[in-house]
Amino acid sequence: GDSVTQMEGPVTLSEEAFLTINCTYTATGYPSLFWYVQYPGEGLQLLLKATKADDKGSNKGFEATYRKETTSFHLEKGSVQVSDSAVYFCALRGRTGNQFYFGTGTSLTVIP
Amino acid sequence: NAGVTQTPKFQVLKTGQSMTLQCAQDMNHEYMSWYRQDPGMGLRLIHYSVGAGITDQGEVPNGYNVSRSTTEDFPLRLLSAAPSQTSVYFCASSYSSSGGSNEQYFGPGTRLTVT
Repeated sequence: GDSVTQMEGPVTLSEEAFLTINCTYTATGYPSLFWYVQYPGEGLQLLLKATKADDKGSNKGFEATYRKETTSFHLEKGSVQVSDSAVYFCALRGRTGNQFYFGTGTSLTVIP
Repeated sequence: NAGVTQTPKFQVLKTGQSMTLQCAQDMNHEYMSWYRQDPGMGLRLIHYSVGAGITDQGEVPNGYNVSRSTTEDFPLRLLSAAPSQTSVYFCASSYSSSGGSNEQYFGPGTRLTVT
């Protein structure tokens, strides 16, 4: 069945460091891929998405490219800030059917 | 738009009590779902609905009931609370899959403690 595997955390970085959070998926066909962010005490918010191969999703300095050949959707940011401290979830939704499949989340802490 | 709203924000129950977690959305979304979030476990799907009158089980449905009498509302009922149901519960909604591209919108969550 469909599934998402993402890098285990927690991840701790200094401000202005480069961030990569790995995400790979297993799915039938060509799913849509999403990154969500969860700030402490809040619900999940969509950070970015990509709906077909080679698409790049971007938002707030974060980027992720849909790589069909490696079934990956790694999240990157060139220079993290303290305000980026949160839990990040990779997710997919298949082309047919309605369910979403989430990774287990990666906790990021950015220290000044 | 208020988006997805959930009530209550916090709740403490005693073992064996029942209660209903409320969820409503004002975006005319067909698809609604309930997740629980536990430390180290990510999000686990409890129940979902693809439209009024249609519900189905997710990964962890035992101990929970749902109904969907309107497009807007999707309440989650705990029939007889157990300490294992202590968790944070999120409701989410989206347009139904149109090539799968539609994202989910999440509510702020209900933090439930069962003693």
